[in-house]
Amino acid sequence: DAGVIQSPRHEVTEMGQEVTLRCKPISGHNSLFWYRQTMMRGLELLIYFNNNVPIDDSGMPEDRFSAKMPNASFSTLKIQPSEPRDSAVYFCASILDISPAYNEQFFGPGTRLTVL
Amino acid sequence: GENVEQHPSTLSVQEGDSAVIKCTYSDSASNYFPWYKQELGKRPQLIIDIRSNVGEKKDQRIAVTLNKTAKHFSLHITETQPEDSAVYFCAARQSNFGNEKLTFGTGTRLTIIP
Repeated sequence: DAGVIQSPRHEVTEMGQEVTLRCKPISGHNSLFWYRQTMMRGLELLIYFNNNVPIDDSGMPEDRFSAKMPNASFSTLKIQPSEPRDSAVYFCASILDISPAYNEQFFGPGTRLTVL
Repeated sequence: GENVEQHPSTLSVQEGDSAVIKCTYSDSASNYFPWYKQELGKRPQLIIDIRSNVGEKKDQRIAVTLNKTAKHFSLHITETQPEDSAVYFCAARQSNFGNEKLTFGTGTRLTIIP
């Protein structure tokens, strides 16, 4: 199994540009999470999906952020327009949610976003 | 919602000594408590977890204890080694179907001094 796959691994863009981050969860996993990590705020949950449906988006900072999960094997996180304060590492994680015994969230390698 | 506090934010210990990281949580309904290790430039990875029906769990040099009454849990690393240097995150969650949301602590940067 290739694990959670994220692309791109690094993104440098200019303020005002649209940024799209992509995630492919582990095959068979039915919950997907988007996190943002910064030195100041630590690891923050932005949004999570269960069976492709957004369950909790209370962590999404503002309307500039949006996330979709059109099918079980793909999700995107979009920032439009991007701002320098969006610079962070964005992680995607997935889990098989069928039993309390299956609890481990598997993280992807992350996307390091720099907005100039 | 759940709130998780983690202490200390940084910790330095001599190689071979023990390290302890402590977390408190606010939601008494939380019943699953994982610990993640994140090495520099890498992804967080689960190292150990505990459920509320267990008071202590051990895996080689790593152990986690849970006090549900006091709503706190701790990570213990014995005989520390240089490869233990990393940032450690605690987290808490209600273990319900369809609700897998983890609330993370702010992390502890552990440095092992050779």
